Amino acid sequence: GENVEQHPSTLSVQEGDSAVIKCTYSDSASNYFPWYKQELGKRPQLIIDIRSNVGEKKDQRIAVTLNKTAKHFSLHITETQPEDSAVYFCAATDANAGKSTFGDGTTLTVKP
Amino acid sequence: DAGITQSPRHKVTETGTPVTLRCHQTENHRYMYWYRQDPGHGLRLIHYSYGVKDTDKGEVSDGYSVSRSKTEDFLLTLESATSSQTSVYFCATQGQFSEQYFGPGTRLTVT
Repeated sequence: GENVEQHPSTLSVQEGDSAVIKCTYSDSASNYFPWYKQELGKRPQLIIDIRSNVGEKKDQRIAVTLNKTAKHFSLHITETQPEDSAVYFCAATDANAGKSTFGDGTTLTVKP
Repeated sequence: DAGITQSPRHKVTETGTPVTLRCHQTENHRYMYWYRQDPGHGLRLIHYSYGVKDTDKGEVSDGYSVSRSKTEDFLLTLESATSSQTSVYFCATQGQFSEQYFGPGTRLTVT
């Protein structure tokens, strides 16, 4: 089955700095790569996603890159703000099978 | 939040008792999922459903069963709860573009 590794497990940055979270996957059948943000005590919510036919996608301060050959994808947050503090999960999805495998999560802390 | 609710939101039960968690969705999504979330393990798939009466196992299915008799409801049953099943349980549905929408979660404590 699919195996997703996510690094780092914790990340602390100063407000205004950039943050990068990286994930690798193993199954070539995975073709959809979403990122979810989970605030303390809340449910995970989708913040950005990318499909296997795209190399990069950007939405304001958030961007995601995908390298299919190397089987890794990354989340980039620029100009971080305290409200970006949360746990971030990557996932690798076989959209045809309807199954997702999640990374273990990264706890991001943005210090004011 | 894609109209997903879970009940109960909190439950404390004793080892050996059966427990059923309910997930209800109003979006008519075909795929539904049950995950458990534990510190350091992210979200792990327990079971999922790809239609009424169509279900399959995930990576941590031992000790759990599911049923889906209607599109909107997906039940997770712990046949005989154990302390290792203390966790936060999330239900999710899959939207049109493969994105997942999560319910608010159920915090289960097995004593």
